Amino acid sequence: DAGITQSPRYKITETGRQVTLMCHQTWSHSYMFWYRQDLGHGLRLIYYSAAADITDKGEVPDGYVVSRSKTENFPLTLESATRSQTSVYFCASTSGWADEQYFGPGTRLTVT
Amino acid sequence: AQSVSQHNHHVILSEAASLELGCNYSYGGTVNLFWYVQYPGQHLQLLLKYFSGDPLVKGIKGFEAEFIKSKFSFNLRKPSVQWSDTAEYFCAVNDNTDKLIFGTGTRLQVFP
Repeated sequence: DAGITQSPRYKITETGRQVTLMCHQTWSHSYMFWYRQDLGHGLRLIYYSAAADITDKGEVPDGYVVSRSKTENFPLTLESATRSQTSVYFCASTSGWADEQYFGPGTRLTVT
Repeated sequence: AQSVSQHNHHVILSEAASLELGCNYSYGGTVNLFWYVQYPGQHLQLLLKYFSGDPLVKGIKGFEAEFIKSKFSFNLRKPSVQWSDTAEYFCAVNDNTDKLIFGTGTRLQVFP
């Protein structure tokens, strides 16, 4: 089915480990985004991508790495997870930067 | 930097009560405005959006929002809420850049 999917949906990892969150969309949208959602902060942009091989930092990029070798995939990697990165992570995509963003179901990440 | 303020952090209403959620933004130029809703356990979805034209925008499920440029506001309204409207509501603003800036969200609880 068309849409935007995220995996895993739930992840528990230990401090210092590397973890990668996957995002896949089937619409061939140019833009893709990674947000984290934390109580009291709403959604904050981590990284975004305007097209394959083009990525840019958002509001809270420290500790995260992204890549976009294919239009449909936008993985987010925590190189060395910290407890402060415990959060719910949402991926989103859109065809144009001013258009509606379509969100994935989220990944709940717990760093112990 | 652009910012979005949602002053109502938690709103509790009884069914059939009227709702108004505040949203103010800081950018003085042309903006695109959005309200997203997140039902419990679900991902964000678009409620309504304003790009240009009539400043009174109607969205899904009986919601509407009014863009008042002079007040930098885009308040969300519904004349009569239902229990199923229990959710978190996010205002978001795009100031003609690649990014969408979200407010911190308002949690709405509707009791039967």
